[in-house]
This record gives sequence, C-alpha cells and structure tokens, in this order.
Amino acid sequence: DAGVIQSPRHEVTEMGQEVTLRCKPISGHNSLFWYRQTMMRGLELLIYFNNNVPIDDSGMPEDRFSAKMPNASFSTLKIQPSEPRDSAVYFCASSLRGGAGAFFGQGTRLTVV
Amino acid sequence: TQLLEQSPQFLSIQEGENLTVYCNSSSVFSSLQWYRQEPGEGPVLLVTVVTGGEVKKLKRLTFQFGDARKDSSLHITAAQPGDTGLYLCAGANTGNQFYFGTGTSLTVIP
Repeated sequence: DAGVIQSPRHEVTEMGQEVTLRCKPISGHNSLFWYRQTMMRGLELLIYFNNNVPIDDSGMPEDRFSAKMPNASFSTLKIQPSEPRDSAVYFCASSLRGGAGAFFGQGTRLTVV
Repeated sequence: TQLLEQSPQFLSIQEGENLTVYCNSSSVFSSLQWYRQEPGEGPVLLVTVVTGGEVKKLKRLTFQFGDARKDSSLHITAAQPGDTGLYLCAGANTGNQFYFGTGTSLTVIP
C-alpha cells in the first residue's frame, strides 16, 4: 500500500491567493483527518470526516478554510484567501476504525508570503 | 485547546541512557497512541493501548496506559541515536477523533 498521499509537498504563495491541498487516504480507511502543525501550537486537528461526511470541523480556524471529501479516495483543504499566519505544515491522516491509530501523509509545507 | 500535556518538552541524553516520557490529561480516552515524527515527515504510529493498566513492549520501548485511562508513559531502554525524534501521544475518544499531545523532542547523542 502506498500509504496516505498528499500533494503538493511544498507550496509557496502570495498573501490573498487561493491554496488547495490534496489528500488520497489509504484504501479501505473510513476516517480522514486534516491537521496543521506549527512550532507554537503543535499538531492541531482541523477537521475530521467519517465515511466522507464531515463530523467535526470545530478546529477550522476561520471561514477562509474549507474542506471537502467528494469520495472515499480524495479530500481537499482549501484556504481562500491565504494569509501569512496560515504558514505551517498541513497533514492528512486516515484511519480504519475507532482507536486504531492514524496513518499520516508526508505533509504539505505551506508558506504564505 | 491541548487536552494532553507531555513532559519533558525537550530531552537530550547520551547513547545508552534510559529515559521516560509522560503524557497526562484530565480526560478519559478510549485508547491512546504513541507516534514518532522525524524532520520533514509525518508522525508514524508506534503503538496503541486500549485497556487501563495495559503495558506493551516494542523492542527497547515500553508503553503503559494508566489505570484510569487518562495518562500514559513511554520508557526507552539504552537509547540509540536512531531513537532521535519528536514523540507524540494522542488520545482517541469514542468518536474516533485523535487529540495530540504537546510533544517531546528527544535527541540521543552518540
């Protein structure tokens, strides 16, 4: 299995631009998570999907952030418009069942200048 | 809001020494996981503990889940440079959501 695949690995964009991060979870996993990691705040849960349905998006910082999961094999996290404080590493993770642990992608390092 | 506090935050030790990392919370979790993260990579799952008081061993690593399922510890025996990394604990609730701890950055000096 190729594991969780994220793209792009690195993204540099100007403030105000739209950014779309992509994720392909492990086949057969029914839960998908988006996390953001910074030195100051550590690993924060942004949103959680179960069977393609958003269950908890309370971690999404602002309306500028949105996430979709149109099918079991693809999810996107969009930031529009982007701001310098959005600079971070964004991780996607998937899980098979409750409490079994999550498998992470390699992350997307986002820099907003 | 960080539900899980880890200690110490940073740890630098010599090769061959033993160490323990702690993960504490006021919340009860249905399970708890430990991950290791290396620079430029995502966290990698090491172990999942489910039962209060459970102890699991993974080579030189020993993981324990507290009796009340609120805390956990990771003990490494005879640390090696390859153990260097960021160690993260994560608690899962019944809804399959994972909440990560603050992390412990370990450096093992050859």
